[in-house]
Amino acid sequence: GENVEQHPSTLSVQEGDSAVIKCTYSDSASNYFPWYKQELGKRPQLIIDIRSNVGEKKDQRIAVTLNKTAKHFSLHITETQPEDSAVYFCAASGSIKAAGNKLTFGGGTRVLVKP
Amino acid sequence: DTGVSQDPRHKITKRGQNVTFRCDPISEHNRLYWYRQTLGQGPEFLTYFQNEAQLEKSRLLSDRFSAERPKGSFSTLEIQRTEQGDSAMYLCASSLVAHRGDEQFFGPGTRLTVL
Repeated sequence: GENVEQHPSTLSVQEGDSAVIKCTYSDSASNYFPWYKQELGKRPQLIIDIRSNVGEKKDQRIAVTLNKTAKHFSLHITETQPEDSAVYFCAASGSIKAAGNKLTFGGGTRVLVKP
Repeated sequence: DTGVSQDPRHKITKRGQNVTFRCDPISEHNRLYWYRQTLGQGPEFLTYFQNEAQLEKSRLLSDRFSAERPKGSFSTLEIQRTEQGDSAMYLCASSLVAHRGDEQFFGPGTRLTVL
């Protein structure tokens, strides 16, 4: 089955700096890679996702890059703000037909943005 | 109905008791997923339904766990003879296949504590 590894487990940045979180996956059939943000005691919220036919996607201050050959993808947050402090999870899933697009999550990265 | 809802939000039970959780997905979402999240970890897939059919179960789902989605709308997850190791957050998510393909929307979760 799919295995997703996420690094680093914690990340502390100064407000205004950039944050980068990296994930690797094992199943070359995976073709959908979402990123979720989870604040303490709250539900995971999708912040951005990327599909295998795209190498990069950007939405305001956040961007995701995907390297299918190397089987890794990354989340980039620019101009970090205190409200970006949360736990971020990457995930991977296979095709809808083959695997029901169940998500396999990484272990999470706790991001702390210091004012 | 603007999101996935779960009930109860918190459940404290004694070891050996049975518990049942309910998930109400976003209206017209045909896929419903159950995940389990322990402290400091990413969610782990348990099972999913397409309409009323349970199509996949994780090996994490022992025979003490059973899930149903009788009318293809809400779902229940029952744990029989609870053990302390069952203590976790149980998350439900739903998606609409063929609309943005894969995006899963999560509920707030049910936090189970087994004493």
